[in-house]
Amino acid sequence: RKEVEQDPGPFNVPEGATVAFNCTYSNSASQSFFWYRQDCRKEPKLLMSVYSSGNEDGRFTAQLNRASQYISLLIRDSKLSDSATYLCVVLIRGGNTPLVFGKGTRLSVIA
Amino acid sequence: NAGVTQTPKFRILKIGQSMTLQCTQDMNHNYMYWYRQDPGMGLKLIYYSVGAGITDKGEVPNGYNVSRSTTEDFPLRLELAAPSQTSVYFCASRRVSGALDQPQHFGDGTRLSIL
Repeated sequence: RKEVEQDPGPFNVPEGATVAFNCTYSNSASQSFFWYRQDCRKEPKLLMSVYSSGNEDGRFTAQLNRASQYISLLIRDSKLSDSATYLCVVLIRGGNTPLVFGKGTRLSVIA
Repeated sequence: NAGVTQTPKFRILKIGQSMTLQCTQDMNHNYMYWYRQDPGMGLKLIYYSVGAGITDKGEVPNGYNVSRSTTEDFPLRLELAAPSQTSVYFCASRRVSGALDQPQHFGDGTRLSIL
């Protein structure tokens, strides 16, 4: 099983829709989690940090389920500008590679 | 507030040439990273550093070298460029101290083509 797995998508949703992505991780020692968005051929930009059960920032909500080892990202009222690839990042303290990136989930919001 | 600065933004190299990709950060971050991202693929860690004078290999270090003589700078060296090294290279940094894990901040990348 890969350390961090994401559904690659693409998720094609209409404007105004609610969409959710999941990210599963294999190492139970994972401590902290981050969601980044990446536009085509641009650098990843931090969307949200998750240290406990979850986090909310406007239309974006992240929920962490340590028992099932996944973290989700919910986007409400999708905008065209939300179209991007969403990367899940897991921090494992003490590991040789301290931050593990998922391959990303692609979202297209359609007018 | 510059953050993480990478130079150059674009470069075309011939096979066998060498070059150094520059990365500097002004946030006093102790950890720095180099990634490569091939078209349509995820980020792959090349090298990272936990502080000045300390570097470690990541997932794909072959063909690259790094140094970390100062906290601010973390250059990536390609000695003998090969077509397989055509990619977008991202430098990132983060502050590691205390109990709260801080996220990475990324530079805007160097797009490198080897022909």
